[in-house]
Amino acid sequence: EPEVTQTPSHQVTQMGQEVILRCVPISNHLYFYWYRQILGQKVEFLVSFYNNEISEKSEIFDDQFSVERPDGSNFTLKIRSTKLEDSAMYFCASSQERKGNSPLHFGNGTRLTVT
Amino acid sequence: AQSVTQPDIHITVSEGASLELRCNYSYGATPYLFWYVQSPGQGLQLLLKYFSGDTLVQGIKGFEAEFKRSQSSFNLRKPSVHWSDAAEYFCAVTPTGGGNKLTFGTGTQLKVEL
Repeated sequence: EPEVTQTPSHQVTQMGQEVILRCVPISNHLYFYWYRQILGQKVEFLVSFYNNEISEKSEIFDDQFSVERPDGSNFTLKIRSTKLEDSAMYFCASSQERKGNSPLHFGNGTRLTVT
Repeated sequence: AQSVTQPDIHITVSEGASLELRCNYSYGATPYLFWYVQSPGQGLQLLLKYFSGDTLVQGIKGFEAEFKRSQSSFNLRKPSVHWSDAAEYFCAVTPTGGGNKLTFGTGTQLKVEL
């Protein structure tokens, strides 16, 4: 079964540094998402992306965050200047459609640790 | 405000025992309903989903869930738990008639005793 793949599985960075989290969505999916889960908290929506632009974003997704689909397969999340509170598990997801009954398929996540 | 509640943070069951994980939602209309499982070091895997029709839905790994509109609930069940079911379980919803942005519950951590 096709999978969403994320790299790296674990990223450690110093506060103030830029990080790029990478994702390869399922090939025939058109909608892409980032979610995050701070340790001990619920999984939260960050952003959705379709047709090379952001379709929706949460209040968490401030100017420090950006997303990009640099080529036909990768989908990236960039954090420009990391803060301690950005430490979390970041999940990429994709879906075929944007309708509520089109399930999201998640990757295994990237654990980001900001020191 | 729309919300999803999983009242049990931790549940411990013996292997072979039955399991029920609770999920309640608060929405203006019945949303689409999902259960995801997160095994240690793994991503979120879709267990099952409810959109409409038969209120008892079957999923993977022997799980099922029952939608009860009167109680705004979508509880997950399994008749006989295996040690490999130890994981965190998340109930999630998306609004009908809108996009598929998921709202998750806080999760229930399942421990299975041998």
